[in-house]
Amino acid sequence: DQQVKQNSPSLSVQEGRISILNCDYTNSMFDYFLWYKKYPAEGPTFLISISSIKDKNEDGRFTVFLNKSAKHLSLHIVPSQPGDSAVYFCAASEAGYGNKLVFGAGTILRVKS
Amino acid sequence: GAGVSQSPSNKVTEKGKDVELRCDPISGHTALYWYRQRLGQGLEFLIYFQGNSAPDKSGLPSDRFSAERTGESVSTLTIQRTQQEDSAVYLCASSLVAGSNSPLHFGNGTRLTVT
Repeated sequence: DQQVKQNSPSLSVQEGRISILNCDYTNSMFDYFLWYKKYPAEGPTFLISISSIKDKNEDGRFTVFLNKSAKHLSLHIVPSQPGDSAVYFCAASEAGYGNKLVFGAGTILRVKS
Repeated sequence: GAGVSQSPSNKVTEKGKDVELRCDPISGHTALYWYRQRLGQGLEFLIYFQGNSAPDKSGLPSDRFSAERTGESVSTLTIQRTQQEDSAVYLCASSLVAGSNSPLHFGNGTRLTVT
């Protein structure tokens, strides 16, 4: 039973354009959401997060949007750069469960120059 | 070192053998986590340690899997009588505390192949 789903295995975007990565979740008890980025042969690195009390969080070129009623979040990268090419994982956690994250399967982003 | 260190980076073992994977967390981080990633899948939680509290072992897939941590330092994940389905990248992460405002810092993982 996948509680966090990333339905697009891959996404290809032209340099300079917007990349939009999507994530859906089923557990209504999740209250904190994160995006991690992973390059080959490296561990995931934290990118951006959002608490369930907010609907938007922005950090430079990266913005995360949360729609609680739809149980959906998205990561926007604008403008996209070739160095953004990586696997992006959506993750969620539930209050009282420490930092035990539930991850999606990931989306491979390719930014073409 | 500045980051989470895992060893070995690669391990090939025969089915039925035991393996031990090591993780050195970031100094001062009280929480330590083990995840695994099978090919084409997301990260799967295995176990986490927070200070001197009892570890949360709810993600361990079978009793062949165990993990230990000495104080707030090194952790070892042991897999006994390895099976082919244990083949995966095993990732260790640490965080300052076990809380949502303390992001996980991952190591580069140990790629385990069971032949």
